[in-house]
Amino acid sequence: QQQVKQSPQSLIVQKGGISIINCAYENTAFDYFPWYQQFPGKGPALLIAIRPDVSEKKEGRFTISFNKSAKQFSLHIMDSQPGDSATYFCAASTKGGTGTASKLTFGTGTRLQVTL
Amino acid sequence: NAGVTQTPKFQVLKTGQSMTLQCAQDMNHNSMYWYRQDPGMGLRLIYYSASEGTTDKGEVPNGYNVSRLNKREFSLRLESAAPSQTSVYFCASSESKGGARSPLHFGNGTRLTVT
Repeated sequence: QQQVKQSPQSLIVQKGGISIINCAYENTAFDYFPWYQQFPGKGPALLIAIRPDVSEKKEGRFTISFNKSAKQFSLHIMDSQPGDSATYFCAASTKGGTGTASKLTFGTGTRLQVTL
Repeated sequence: NAGVTQTPKFQVLKTGQSMTLQCAQDMNHNSMYWYRQDPGMGLRLIYYSASEGTTDKGEVPNGYNVSRLNKREFSLRLESAAPSQTSVYFCASSESKGGARSPLHFGNGTRLTVT
């Protein structure tokens, strides 16, 4: 049972364009939503994260938009560059109880290719 | 600063063979995790360790065992490998005992093929 649904599976964007990746979740107990970026042959690395008390978070060219009522969040990459070509994963977690660790549930990933 | 180091980088096993994937982190993190990555399925949690001395099952623990040897090291063992365990395995660590709310730092993975 997939708790975080991610789309599209792959995306091709021209240099300078906007890349948009969408995620949806069902578990209303999720309260932390990070995005990870993975280059070939490497492990994922945290790109940006948001908590549901805000509707948008921006870091440089990367923006997360969050819609709590729709249980959706998305990553926007402005002015996309060839160096942004990578696989992007959305994720979600709940707050763990005392003495436990909360765990990330990942989406299935989006392979982004930015062409010249 | 090495971060999270996984060994080996590549491994080929025959069905029924056993092996241990090693992971070590030098960031003094409390929590450690093992994920597997398969095409179209994202990253799925196999086991995790919230702190030294504790381990818990994740989403897909069957066929695996883990050992949190000390604060730095967290190993994953396949007792009798099956072709369905062909995957890329990632170890990760995070700072706090509230695990996933602080960033996960991943190693570069072990690519395992079971024939």
